[in-house]
Amino acid sequence: EPEVTQTPSHQVTQMGQEVILRCVPISNHLYFYWYRQILGQKVEFLVSFYNNEISEKSEIFDDQFSVERPDGSNFTLKIRSTKLEDSAMYFCAGGPEYNEQFFGPGTRLTVL
Amino acid sequence: KNEVEQSPQNLTAQEGEFITINCSYSVGISALHWLQQHPGGGIVSLFMLSSGKKKHGRLIATINIQEKHSSLHITASHPRDSAVYICAAYYRGSEKLVFGKGTKLTVNP
Repeated sequence: EPEVTQTPSHQVTQMGQEVILRCVPISNHLYFYWYRQILGQKVEFLVSFYNNEISEKSEIFDDQFSVERPDGSNFTLKIRSTKLEDSAMYFCAGGPEYNEQFFGPGTRLTVL
Repeated sequence: KNEVEQSPQNLTAQEGEFITINCSYSVGISALHWLQQHPGGGIVSLFMLSSGKKKHGRLIATINIQEKHSSLHITASHPRDSAVYICAAYYRGSEKLVFGKGTKLTVNP
């Protein structure tokens, strides 16, 4: 059964560095999402992406964040200049419809 | 404000017990998800509900739209059911899932 995959599984970076988190959604998915979960807290929505553009974003998703689907398969989240408070688990999700989502295994980002 | 509340926050049970986890939400949802998060962090969707009841194996999810309440039941619980169970809702006019804080379930043998 096809699965959403994410790479890397764990990324350690220095504060101020750029990071790119990668996701490969299931091929027939049309809606794509990024979420984050700070340790011990609930999962929070970051951004949704449909038809090659952002369809909704949260207050967290400021100018430091961007998303791309450069080649029709990968879906990336870029954080331009990481802060300590960006340390979290980042989940990618996708679905054939907006209310059906399949989650990736997550990337743990640690900012030092 | 669109919110999702879960109870209890933590739940410990003996193997074989019937488990109920509750979720309440604000008016205006279009659908509700029950998700399972394992200790490693991965999230799996268990059910998506907009009305009534769904069953999969030992798991049953119900939703009462008028009461703004949903429950997840586990029959004949097993230690492998130990995980965090999360309720998350879609509110009309939005594509984002609003998550509850989760219920940490521990089933002891």
